Amino acid sequence: AQKITQTQPGMFVQEKEAVTLDCTYDTSDPSYGLFWYKQPSSGEMIFLIYQGSYDQQNATEGRYSLNFQKARKSANLVISASQLGDSAMYFCAMREPTTSGTYKYIFGTGTRLKVLA
Amino acid sequence: DTEVTQTPKHLVMGMTNKKSLKCEQHMGHRAMYWYKQKAKKPPELMFVYSYEKLSINESVPSRFSPECPNSSLLNLHLHALQPEDSALYLCASSQDEGAYAEAFFGQGTRLTVV
Repeated sequence: AQKITQTQPGMFVQEKEAVTLDCTYDTSDPSYGLFWYKQPSSGEMIFLIYQGSYDQQNATEGRYSLNFQKARKSANLVISASQLGDSAMYFCAMREPTTSGTYKYIFGTGTRLKVLA
Repeated sequence: DTEVTQTPKHLVMGMTNKKSLKCEQHMGHRAMYWYKQKAKKPPELMFVYSYEKLSINESVPSRFSPECPNSSLLNLHLHALQPEDSALYLCASSQDEGAYAEAFFGQGTRLTVV
């Protein structure tokens, strides 16, 4: 069963505008972490922002903010004042405990964002 | 220093070759990961090492052999690969404890099997 769902395969946004990338998740653990990564065409996965399940406030990191709605199990990424360099693939991920006692990260299918000049 | 270094960045190998991918981190992380990513797909977990011991093997074919010589290094040994193994291979590291720890990724190795 898909545990991280990103329903937007592709998004366009005008430069300097804000954009929201959607992410919903499914877990029965009370303690979990949600993460967003940016992957430019070069391939590297760049960590952007994270939200802990017990965090009372939405996470913010510069132009990135996370709209966390726990009851709806959603963790949408908001990018404000988009820049051309924001054009990339964006992945939502969750850190999940395993039966071996460690953790693994599972990823959604990603959203490709294109910023238009 | 939040850097994970992977070498080489690009690798072309024949189906009869033996090669190794290397990954290094100096953040004191005790969990290290190998992911495989095909074009336009999300990363898929291959292996997890925790405190230098193999913790997870996601049913990866034996032609891929991981190794963790010490807490800073992670290798992936490749032997008798198939063309369908061509992909971006990503290494990552994180703290091992707690649900909130972020993973830091290397730049990846783009592997082409010919």
